[in-house]
Amino acid sequence: TQLLEQSPQFLSIQEGENLTVYCNSSSVFSSLQWYRQEPGEGPVLLVTVVTGGEVKKLKRLTFQFGDARKDSSLHITAAQPGDTGLYLCAGGSNYQLIWGAGTKLIIKP
Amino acid sequence: NAGVTQTPKFQVLKTGQSMTLQCAQDMNHEYMSWYRQDPGMGLRLIHYSVGAGITDQGEVPNGYNVSRSTTEDFPLRLLSAAPSQTSVYFCASSYSRGAGQPQHFGDGTRLSIL
Repeated sequence: TQLLEQSPQFLSIQEGENLTVYCNSSSVFSSLQWYRQEPGEGPVLLVTVVTGGEVKKLKRLTFQFGDARKDSSLHITAAQPGDTGLYLCAGGSNYQLIWGAGTKLIIKP
Repeated sequence: NAGVTQTPKFQVLKTGQSMTLQCAQDMNHEYMSWYRQDPGMGLRLIHYSVGAGITDQGEVPNGYNVSRSTTEDFPLRLLSAAPSQTSVYFCASSYSRGAGQPQHFGDGTRLSIL
């Protein structure tokens, strides 16, 4: 059974701080997606990474896919209250998407 | 731009009742799926469809039925509601089944079974 573990499960920090959340597995994935979900809404795709070692930037968010394609990280620089939400990673393998349980992020003004 | 539309947004049922959760997409996507989201457990796949007339089971299919008569619509039926089915249900669509395809989600149906 393929599993994706996200850490931390919960993170509450002050506006302006930096943070990193992680998505780890013992399995190799062909792709790794990151989604953000706000209360009362469905997840929205932020980024897809497909190559080992790939780094993608989306404004203050930096996404990295591990060299072995088993893990990924999301780094947020100078977090803002608008970054608050549930961050989900999903690994793609054999037409399946394996979902992590998410990191709940709260940015306090 | 409607995207994926789910109805109703909220529903309360009594144990043993049946109901249908509606899902419609206007992006001409071939692949549609239903997930349930429970605290601390992430998204779990219930059923999916790769095109009109074709459906298959996901990770947690028991107690649920689906059909796909058109490309646009993918309803989820609860046959006899149980308290264990209390959850938030999300419908998603994508261009194809490929694992790297972006999933487009509706805003969910919050279902409580008493």
